[in-house]
Amino acid sequence: EAQVTQNPRYLITVTGKKLTVTCSQNMNHEYMSWYRQDPGLGLRQIYYSMNVEVTDKGDVPEGYKVSRKEKRNFPLILESPSPNQTSLYFCASRDRGRSDTQYFGPGTRLTVL
Amino acid sequence: GENVEQHPSTLSVQEGDSAVIKCTYSDSASNYFPWYKQELGKRPQLIIDIRSNVGEKKDQRIAVTLNKTAKHFSLHITETQPEDSAVYFCAARSGGSNYKLTFGKGTLLTVNP
Repeated sequence: EAQVTQNPRYLITVTGKKLTVTCSQNMNHEYMSWYRQDPGLGLRQIYYSMNVEVTDKGDVPEGYKVSRKEKRNFPLILESPSPNQTSLYFCASRDRGRSDTQYFGPGTRLTVL
Repeated sequence: GENVEQHPSTLSVQEGDSAVIKCTYSDSASNYFPWYKQELGKRPQLIIDIRSNVGEKKDQRIAVTLNKTAKHFSLHITETQPEDSAVYFCAARSGGSNYKLTFGKGTLLTVNP
């Protein structure tokens, strides 16, 4: 089954404790992206990647890091989480070809105390 | 960068009525405009999209129109049903970028039986 997976789905942590949210897709997609969703603000792009070792900043990259060492994986790293990073995070991927359809993962709800 | 405004933020209609959600964008080079539906607790899912070389696209009860001159696009849902109740997001892909999507803040559509 074609899918985007994220782990963990829920996470409660404390300020300053480094964490990683994993994202994996099994569709051989070149493009992957991370978004955060906050009430009243919609979806905002954090980082995106066009291929292995190629990443770029989205609209709200501060406080986040990403890496793309393998095509299927695109982890989101919070080196020193702060309460304002409490949010719902979505990973997404799409093919580079004719289809523009973007597939979202199930989401990760992060709470930083 | 691109800026996408979406209106209204909430919309309540009676079952069977039509619903219209409007978005404006700022980057005249934007070339791709998807609409996503997000049900409560679920991930966003693409419902329809339109490219800048097309003025209108239909898929059963859903249609999207694009006015490049005015830089706005709209989602039209006819014969609404309770299962259409969800948050709808518009988005625009900036010209010159293959993957940078900017989303509107969303519209909560409620269809009353």
